[in-house]
Amino acid sequence: DQQVKQNSPSLSVQEGRISILNCDYTNSMFDYFLWYKKYPAEGPTFLISISSIKDKNEDGRFTVFLNKSAKHLSLHIVPSQPGDSAVYFCAASGNTGTASKLTFGTGTRLQVTL
Amino acid sequence: NAGVMQNPRHLVRRRGQEARLRCSPMKGHSHVYWYRQLPEEGLKFMVYLQKENIIDESGMPKERFSAEFPKEGPSILRIQQVVRGDSAAYFCASSRVPGQGWTEAFFGQGTRLTVV
Repeated sequence: DQQVKQNSPSLSVQEGRISILNCDYTNSMFDYFLWYKKYPAEGPTFLISISSIKDKNEDGRFTVFLNKSAKHLSLHIVPSQPGDSAVYFCAASGNTGTASKLTFGTGTRLQVTL
Repeated sequence: NAGVMQNPRHLVRRRGQEARLRCSPMKGHSHVYWYRQLPEEGLKFMVYLQKENIIDESGMPKERFSAEFPKEGPSILRIQQVVRGDSAAYFCASSRVPGQGWTEAFFGQGTRLTVV
């Protein structure tokens, strides 16, 4: 039972353009959502998060949007840079306020081309 | 300021052997989380520990797997009698004591276990 889904396994975007990564979830008890970035042979690195009481959070080139009614969130990266090429994981948490029992999606591999 | 340290980075075990994976949390962190990533899948929660106490082990397989976080030393994830299906990347994360609001956890680089 995949409670967090990233339906696009890969995405290719030209440098300077916008990258949009999507994530859907099924568990209405999730109240905190995160995006992690992962390079090969490294651990996930926290990128940006959003609480369920918000619909948008912005940090530099990264913006996360949350649509609770659709149980959908997205990560926008603009402008995209070659160094953004990595696997991006969407993750969700219940109301514990901790990183325990994060539920991860299967990831989307982003390739930013020159 | 060293991050979360996991060792070994790569571990090869024959079927039936034991695997021990170690995780040293970031300085000042007393909470540790273990996750497993099977090939082509996302990370899956296994266990959440604080010093000398298992807080949540609902993601741990019922047999052969155990975890500890002693008062002194690293957290250990132990897999007895490994099978091919245990081959995966095992990630450890650590955090400070959870407080009000979100408590971020930081991941280590992982241990890639290969069972042959």
